[in-house]
Amino acid sequence: QKEVEQDPGPLSVPEGAIVSLNCTYSNSAFQYFMWYRQYSRKGPELLMYTYSSGNKEDGRFTAQVDKSSKYISLFIRDSQPSDSATYLCAMRADTGRRALTFGSGTRLQVQP
Amino acid sequence: SAVISQKPSRDICQRGTSLTIQCQVDSQVTMMFWYRQQPGQSLTLIATANQGSEATYESGFVIDKFPISRPNLTFSTLTVSNMSPEDSSIYLCSVERQGFYNEQFFGPGTRLTVL
Repeated sequence: QKEVEQDPGPLSVPEGAIVSLNCTYSNSAFQYFMWYRQYSRKGPELLMYTYSSGNKEDGRFTAQVDKSSKYISLFIRDSQPSDSATYLCAMRADTGRRALTFGSGTRLQVQP
Repeated sequence: SAVISQKPSRDICQRGTSLTIQCQVDSQVTMMFWYRQQPGQSLTLIATANQGSEATYESGFVIDKFPISRPNLTFSTLTVSNMSPEDSSIYLCSVERQGFYNEQFFGPGTRLTVL
């Protein structure tokens, strides 16, 4: 079983829809949770960063972490065609290994 | 965020040859990482490179195959040695920016095809 599980999609939604992307994880030591957006043939771009549990909002994006369920989410409101990309969740513990453990990524397509 | 560049951006190489990938950062960073992303897959850590010490390799990756240099706080290289088609992948360097969250930022990647 992978440490981080993410539905690979692809997920296709109409423009303006609310998108929900999710990851589950098994390592209870994870404390830092990130979402990266990766456009085709580009490097991952840091989108959202959360420490421990709770919500964080940035414009149309909201990240949620539920440590009791080992479940994290990224919500995109009023989705735009420019949001079409692969979204990767990533996480790491507070101490020890500093490298990130990634989910497999979800491909999102927003149809105009 | 940190500005990270990688060279080359892409290359096509013959089996048995070696390729060195360069990663340059616009500011001094302690921790740099090298990841591999195979087609349609997520990122897998190859090694962690700290300036002034030997790189730390993940299980399944060895120094003879992926030697890494980290001569200063803004630069690192990854060499893919004795390449085979299975090494065809995107190679990404990332850096950790020190602060409360210690965010990690990625370079644009090097797309390698081995024939």
